[in-house]
Formats: sequence, C-alpha cells, structure tokens
Amino acid sequence: GAGVSQTPSNKVTEKGKYVELRCDPISGHTALYWYRQSLGQGPEFLIYFQGTGAADDSGLPNDRFFAVRPEGSVSTLKIQRTERGDSAVYLCASSLGQGGQFFGPGTRLTVL
Amino acid sequence: GESVGLHLPTLSVQEGDNSIINCAYSNSASDYFIWYKQESGKGPQFIIDIRSNMDKRQGQRVTVLLNKTVKHLSLQIAATQPGDSAVYFCAENGSSGSARQLTFGSGTQLTVLP
Repeated sequence: GAGVSQTPSNKVTEKGKYVELRCDPISGHTALYWYRQSLGQGPEFLIYFQGTGAADDSGLPNDRFFAVRPEGSVSTLKIQRTERGDSAVYLCASSLGQGGQFFGPGTRLTVL
Repeated sequence: GESVGLHLPTLSVQEGDNSIINCAYSNSASDYFIWYKQESGKGPQFIIDIRSNMDKRQGQRVTVLLNKTVKHLSLQIAATQPGDSAVYFCAENGSSGSARQLTFGSGTQLTVLP
C-alpha cells in the first residue's frame, strides 16, 4: 500500500515569507506526527495529532509554527515569517494507535 | 537533560559480516524503542521496534537487544549487504511530553565494504 507522502519535496523561500508543507498519512492511521531534521542530526519532534486535534505541540519552537489536521487525515504545517534558521528537512510520520511511526520522504525547506 | 545517544558515529564492516550498532539511553521511563534506517535524501525507514517488557526481538536479518539494567539498546544486522549502508538511528519514547514523542539519537553511519 501507499506510504506517507509529503509535498512539496523541496521548497525554497525568502526570509519573511509564509510556507505550507503538506502531509498525507498512511490510510487508516489515526496518529500523525511532524518532526524536523537538521543536517547530521536525528529528527526532532514538533507536534503530534490524534485524529483532528493536536495532542502534543510541545515541540513547536515558537508561535510562527502552526499545524492543522482538519479532517483527521491530511495535515499542513504552516510557518510564518520564515527565518534562515528554519531551513531543515521537515518529516511527517503516521502510526496506527501506539504502534511504530512510519515516515514520509520529507520536505527540504531552504530559507534564503 | 535526558537524551538518546549512540556510542560510535561511524561503523565500517565487510560485506557478509555481522554488524552491531549500539545505543545508550538515559530515560528509565522509556518503554518503547525503535530502530530506523535512513538513506541519503530519504525519510527514516522503520526497521524494528521493541517494548520494555522484552529483551530481544528478531526480524528478517535484524535483531534488537534491550538491556534495561544498563539502559542499552543494540541492533544486530546479519550478513551485512551493500544495501545496508545508511545512517541508523535509535529512538525512544518517554523522554518528554507525551509518550508518543520519539527522541532520536544522532545516528551511526554504517558503511559496508566490498
């Protein structure tokens, strides 16, 4: 079956701009996660959804970051007033209940 | 702070040999651990997981060992193949926030030599 998909695969933007990153989880997976990975590091947790609600957003670095999952499936990570330090690979994962988290290919965000 | 770390940043093995990748964790409350493989330009790929009520779990060519006494996790890959070359991460839950947050180590680069 299809895995987690993320679009776009690459996004280049200018400092101060707004970006949206999309995640399509594995069909039927109720939990969805966003992580951020900097070069040479492991992924860092941002936010986790159970259904439509954000069950844990403690990893969001500041209020420029926001994520939604309005229908309990697709999720969008939104970053306002982007900064160069936001440049990273943004990874989405999904899981069925408390099982293993399966990751998508990521969106590489570059802020110039 | 609490963290998950790996003993060695790089590991080179001959094709056909067995590989062992080690990981130390510091949060005794963690009860779920996962090993991921990440190839360049791709997302982490789930390899195998283990819960704290087990000390060993086997998959296809892979075995995960968990030693809760010394907070140590290892991934053993049998008959390592060139396609196994990648960065391997261990991840744990329970470090902070909800039990669904995974905390990742910094990774071990496995290189398989011909």
